Amino acid sequence: DIVMTQSPDSLAVSLGERATISCKSSQSVLFTSNNKNYLAWYQQKPGQPPKLLIYWASTRESGVPDRFSGSGSGTDFTLTISSLQAEDVAVYYCQQHYSSQITFGQGTRLEIK
Amino acid sequence: EVQLLESGGGFVQPGGSLRLSCAASEFTFSSYAMSWVRQAPGKGLEWVSSIRGSGGATYYADSVKGRFTISRDNSKNSLYLQMDILRAEDTAVYYCAKGVGSGIYSFDYWGQGTLVTVSS
Repeated sequence: DIVMTQSPDSLAVSLGERATISCKSSQSVLFTSNNKNYLAWYQQKPGQPPKLLIYWASTRESGVPDRFSGSGSGTDFTLTISSLQAEDVAVYYCQQHYSSQITFGQGTRLEIK
Repeated sequence: EVQLLESGGGFVQPGGSLRLSCAASEFTFSSYAMSWVRQAPGKGLEWVSSIRGSGGATYYADSVKGRFTISRDNSKNSLYLQMDILRAEDTAVYYCAKGVGSGIYSFDYWGQGTLVTVSS
C-alpha cells in the first residue's frame, strides 16, 4: 500500500498568517499518461464529514476560497492557506487514489495561535 | 444539491453482522463510483471499500477483505455495505462518499455518517 505521511501532526498559526501542511507519499502518485497527480486534500471540522478542498494536487474544488492552494508532484505535496481565518480551524487530510487501495494521511490539526 | 443518507448503523456483538445503506439523490448515480470510508472515535480517516459506477469492479482495504461486501443497486440509487464477522476494531462512523468520476477518484460529496459499535 502507498503510505501517506503528513507533517506536522498539529500546527498553530496566527490569524492572517500563512499555514503550510506537507504530505509525502511512499511512492509516486503521478500518472504519467495524463500527467495528473492522484492526490486530494480534505478539511474536516468537528462533528462534520470531510470536505473536498483540492483534487489532482492543485485544482481547487468549486466554492473553496482561493486562500487554499495545493502544490507538488510525484511524492511531495503541500497544502497552503495563505491567510488563516478563524473558520479554517479543522483537521486536514491528504489522500492518494493512484492505487485502488486508497490511503489517507494521518491528519494535521490546525489551530489558531 | 447532491444528498447521501446513510442508515443501518448500530450496536452489535463481535462476530455479528450489519448491513449499511446509503440513499443517493440529485445526481446520476450509475455514472459515479461510490465508496465507504470510516473513522474510529478520535482517529483519522480510513478507506474501506469502493465500487465503480457500473458495479463491475469492487475494491477493499486489507483490513476488511473477506468480511465486508460492497454492492449497489443503480435502479434504487442505493449503495450498501454488508459487514460480517465484525470485530471491536470495526467500531467507527461509516461515511458514504461519492467519487468525482466513474473510476476511483477523490470524493466530492460525503454523507453525515452512521455509527457502528462492536462490543460485547
